[in-house]
Amino acid sequence: DVQVVESGGDLAQPGGSLRLSCEASGFSFRLYEMHWVRQAPGRGLEWVSSIGGDGGTLYYADSVRGRFTISRENARNSLYLQMTSLRAEDTAVYYCASVSGYADAFDIWGQGTVVTISS
Amino acid sequence: EIVMTQSPATLSVSPGERATLSCRASQSVNTNLAWYQQRPGQAPRLVIYGASTRATGIPARFSGSGSGTEFTLTISRLRSEDFAVYYCQQYNNWPPLTFGGGTKVEIQ
Repeated sequence: DVQVVESGGDLAQPGGSLRLSCEASGFSFRLYEMHWVRQAPGRGLEWVSSIGGDGGTLYYADSVRGRFTISRENARNSLYLQMTSLRAEDTAVYYCASVSGYADAFDIWGQGTVVTISS
Repeated sequence: EIVMTQSPATLSVSPGERATLSCRASQSVNTNLAWYQQRPGQAPRLVIYGASTRATGIPARFSGSGSGTEFTLTISRLRSEDFAVYYCQQYNNWPPLTFGGGTKVEIQ
């Protein structure tokens, strides 16, 4: 089965750091662009960052650029999001998502990992 | 940045009736428009892509239409499992990928 599983969410203090992970299985991970999407409590979906299959193309939302770094390790079928200088407004469920060969929109989603930024 | 606007914010419908959800883009996205369903406590699920193509496993009561800047998701004969929040998303011109604010379909 095609699956992505996020981990690494936690409670952190403002100004702190966290590293999220997403482990993929059931598809040729290295061939797929991967994305992070977040959802603040009671709010809608917000795209955060994307990375190409070879890791060479990186995109960020303005709200996280300069603070978050997306990366991947294809040998481990894993995607990462290094989050620094965290703010209260980064509190959200963070989803790992991708586009399979069967659609041209996000048809692969993880269950999400919860990040809470509070002192 | 392309801004996606959904209406209404909340739609109250009785089971068995039809629901019509709207999504407007601030500039043309051609047919590069997707709809997602999100039930409480769950991840989003792709319903429609390419403005009108149902994703794998999505029943035929879901249909999408539109192109350019105006899009519609129609759910005919609503069932209990269809009551959820629906988001539209454009992927025509990015970054950034942008989502609408969502429409909550609730039981009347």
